[in-house]
Amino acid sequence: DSGVTQTPKHLITATGQRVTLRCSPRSGDLSVYWYQQSLDQGLQFLIQYYNGEERAKGNILERFSAQQFPDLHSELNLSSLELGDSALYFCASNVGQGPGNTIYFGEGSWLTVV
Amino acid sequence: GENVEQHPSTLSVQEGDSAVIKCTYSDSASNYFPWYKQELGKGPQLIIDIRSNVGEKKDQRIAVTLNKTAKHFSLHITETQPEDSAVYFCAGPSNTGKLIFGQGTTLQVKP
Repeated sequence: DSGVTQTPKHLITATGQRVTLRCSPRSGDLSVYWYQQSLDQGLQFLIQYYNGEERAKGNILERFSAQQFPDLHSELNLSSLELGDSALYFCASNVGQGPGNTIYFGEGSWLTVV
Repeated sequence: GENVEQHPSTLSVQEGDSAVIKCTYSDSASNYFPWYKQELGKGPQLIIDIRSNVGEKKDQRIAVTLNKTAKHFSLHITETQPEDSAVYFCAGPSNTGKLIFGQGTTLQVKP
């Protein structure tokens, strides 16, 4: 158990809908990272927050947004969903401002868009 | 640019043999290189990491070597066991604050 908690574990929704994925980082970690993993794809970095502020941005679509709250939990909002958004979404956390020390991953949220 | 290339994409070995996975990176500012193991249906788990001030690090059957001049680093697993079967990812940080992952290597250890 990495200490990173993600909910929901599985989610099935229709095209055009909006979903919110939630992440609680490890106790004491200030950075939260979001990654997308599609079938046969590697881990694509979406976005990082550090202590409530956006720190780094990757290949995140405009239909997607994220935020980190004062209690350090984070949410990833996916809107106007398309079939291609079906993927495993991982949240990860670490104590520092960047990826220069160990990043711990949650178990992921499986999103299926039908 | 920011890129991490990982090879091979698949690797099959007999139980007890060694397995080697190699990665190359482009960002010369990278100084931290973790390796993750991902089992089916689970999140990636850190198995070993190395910083640029050392050339090799070992942890039981797992070792990582780093060649900063050539910009490549490798994962070595000795005496492989069936439970080593998984997808392995290398990664390196970029100077823009991202952790860039390789494409992954599916390792199959045949009993």
